[in-house]
Order: sequence, then structure tokens, then C-alpha cells
Amino acid sequence: EAQVTQNPRYLITVTGKKLTVTCSQNMNHEYMSWYRQDPGLGLRQIYYSMNVEVTDKGDVPEGYKVSRKEKRNFPLILESPSPNQTSLYFCASSPIGGGDNEQFFGPGTRLTVL
Amino acid sequence: GQQLNQSPQSMFIQEGEDVSMNCTSSSIFNTWLWYKQEPGEGPVLLIALYKAGELTSNGRLTAQFGITRKDSFLNISASIPSDVGIYFCQVAGSYQLTFGKGTKLSVIP
Repeated sequence: EAQVTQNPRYLITVTGKKLTVTCSQNMNHEYMSWYRQDPGLGLRQIYYSMNVEVTDKGDVPEGYKVSRKEKRNFPLILESPSPNQTSLYFCASSPIGGGDNEQFFGPGTRLTVL
Repeated sequence: GQQLNQSPQSMFIQEGEDVSMNCTSSSIFNTWLWYKQEPGEGPVLLIALYKAGELTSNGRLTAQFGITRKDSFLNISASIPSDVGIYFCQVAGSYQLTFGKGTKLSVIP
């Protein structure tokens, strides 16, 4: 089944404890991206990747890191999480870059930072 | 990134009513897309619009790409309970994507 998977789905952690949220797609897509969803703010892009080893900042990159060593994986790293990073996170992929391509979203990761 | 104004922010409607929502921008875009997010899920594409003035239907959904290329509308006819969710518009400036803040739709049976 073609899909985007994220792990973990739920995570409660404490301030300052490094964490990684994994994202993997099995559709051979070139473009991958991360979003956070907060009430009243909609979906905001954190980082995106046009292809392997090519990443760039979205609208809200502060406090996050990403890497794209393989085409299928695009992990989101929080080196020192803070409570304002409590949010619902989505990973998405599309065949190629550019906004006219359908984004395929993962199921989401709900993160709580205490 | 770009700013999209999506309205209304939320809607409570009776089953069977028609729904209309829209997105506007101060910039011109060549593509508008509309997604629906059901509770507990990630967004899923409903309709993509590629040409100014284009009117596209998908079942009870109809979307239009504004002639100025700065806005788009999504209409849902004869709403049913499964239409509940959050609807997002999306545009792109090159590789960076921008979504509207969403319209949360509640349908009262």
C-alpha cells in the first residue's frame, strides 16, 4: 500500500530532551516536507526537501532540524524541545517539488513537551 | 512565506444545506489546491485548479480558480454528516508551500 508513515504517533516528553520523529514514504517521491498544525494557525511548513541531500526552511524552522540521506526517509529532529513546540506534526510527500503537485500526508504525530 | 486568508474560520450547518468557503491572497498564483482533513487524519486532496477562471467539480464539491488568480472558492452542495472536517486551501511559491488556516465544518444531522 502506498503510504507515508510517521513514528511515534504520540509522544510526551520534557523540555530539553532531544527527540526524533521519523517519516518514511514508499512511493519513490522526490519532495518531502514537515508541517505543524496548531489551533487557529492551520498548517505551517517547517522544512522541505526537494531531493536527497537538498533541504530548505519553510515558514517556521526555528528549533527544528531535518536530514534527507535517503529518498524515502525525512526525519524531524528537535535538539532541545520546548513547550511551544507542543503541536500536531505532519509529514507529507509528493512526486516532485512545486506546489501544483498533490501532497500525500502521514497520519500525524501529536507531541507534548512538558 | 505567503499569506492566505481563508474564511470562514468555522461553520455550523444543517444537513442538506450548501456550504461555501474561500481563500484570498495578495499575490498571484498559478495553482490552487483544496484539501480535507477528517478528525484524527492527515489532509487529503479534494480538488486541484490549474487555470484562472477554471471551475472544477468532484461529486458534490465544486471549486473555482478566481480570474484574478488571487482567490479560490470551494462549494459543497447538499451537505451530509461525513462532510465534517477541516478544509484547507493551498498555494505554492516555488517549492515552499502555504496553506490557509482552515475552515472547520460541522454538520448537524
